[in-house]
Amino acid sequence: ETGVTQSPTHLIKTRGQQVTLRCSSQSGHNTVSWYQQALGQGPQFIFQYYREEENGRGNFPPRFSGLQFPNYSSELNVNALELDDSALYLCASSAGLVLYGYTFGSGTRLTVV
Amino acid sequence: GENVEQHPSTLSVQEGDSAVIKCTYSDSASNYFPWYKQELGKRPQLIIDIRSNVGEKKDQRIAVTLNKTAKHFSLHITETQPEDSAVYFCAAIWSQGNLIFGKGTKLSVKP
Repeated sequence: ETGVTQSPTHLIKTRGQQVTLRCSSQSGHNTVSWYQQALGQGPQFIFQYYREEENGRGNFPPRFSGLQFPNYSSELNVNALELDDSALYLCASSAGLVLYGYTFGSGTRLTVV
Repeated sequence: GENVEQHPSTLSVQEGDSAVIKCTYSDSASNYFPWYKQELGKRPQLIIDIRSNVGEKKDQRIAVTLNKTAKHFSLHITETQPEDSAVYFCAAIWSQGNLIFGKGTKLSVKP
């Protein structure tokens, strides 16, 4: 068990809706990173939060947004869902900005219909 | 932009044979290269990683080699077993601090 937990595990949404995914970081970790993994592809970096501030962002539109809370848990919000947003969403936590030994949570599988 | 190329996309071997997966990266500043194994419907799991200050690292049947000059690194699995069947991803740390992943290699080990 990695200590990183995500909820929910599965989610079905309709195009145009909004969704919030949650991630609880491993104890002692203050950095959370989010990745999107489309079917048959490698994970793609969405953004990273360090001490409650966004600390880097991949090539995703502004309708992908996030938050990190004082306990270092995090949320990923996606507005105006599109069919192509269907994917496995993974989060990973780390202590500081060092990514060595980076491990992922079990993910949330989002299906947009 | 930054990129990690991974080959082959599919690999089929007989049980007991060796498997090799190769990756190249574009960011010369990359200094950390992990490998992940992903079974169907599950999260990617870290199986081995290497930092730029070493050229090779081994963990039982798995080894990774790194050539910083050529900007490529490889995963070697010896004495393959059916349970090694999965999709394998290489990754490189980018200067922004996140991981860039390859597109994956589907390894099938036939009994």
